Amino acid sequence: AQSVTQPDIHITVSEGASLELRCNYSYGATPYLFWYVQSPGQGLQLLLKYFSGDTLVQGIKGFEAEFKRSQSSFNLRKPSVHWSDAAEYFCAVGVYTGNQFYFGTGTSLTVIP
Amino acid sequence: EAEVAQSPRYKITEKSQAVAFWCDPISGHATLYWYRQILGQGPELLVQFQDESVVDDSQLPKDRFSAERLKGVDSTLKIQPAELGDSAMYLCASSDFYEQYFGPGTRLTVT
Repeated sequence: AQSVTQPDIHITVSEGASLELRCNYSYGATPYLFWYVQSPGQGLQLLLKYFSGDTLVQGIKGFEAEFKRSQSSFNLRKPSVHWSDAAEYFCAVGVYTGNQFYFGTGTSLTVIP
Repeated sequence: EAEVAQSPRYKITEKSQAVAFWCDPISGHATLYWYRQILGQGPELLVQFQDESVVDDSQLPKDRFSAERLKGVDSTLKIQPAELGDSAMYLCASSDFYEQYFGPGTRLTVT
């Protein structure tokens, strides 16, 4: 069965510091991979996605993620965090057959001045 | 840019009352999803439609929840009767088969 693991429930970083949020997935084939961000009381906004090709993908708001097949990982990174990046981040796996999507439990990001 | 519409954005209801949420997906998207998201957790799929047919409702509490998408376009999710544990964010999403697009959600509070 497909599953997504985000091992860090909560992360605190200083403004201007670099950020890496971890995501591991379990799926028999190469999945579609996504990172979403959710501000309090809002819906999910897509940050970036990986379908195929270059394993380093660029997204909005200065985020990037790298797909590593050997590690079944799709970690999200940002070189310099801004206070406005404080939010909940969700990693998701898309399964082409059945058009189904599976979400991790999320990582809450706090940014301190 | 096309968006998924949901209403209402916020709903407060008393337990044992009925409540309904509406979702209008992006035009042309055949697949529609309803998720429930409890505070601090990831979205949990309640029901998935392909056009007007239910593809997956295995996690839908069918004794009190119902969902329909009669014409394969917009959809309604109903809870009757509402229970305190139903307080959550209800998210609707639609898909063009490669990516999901989410609406703003409905925040339900059951008192």
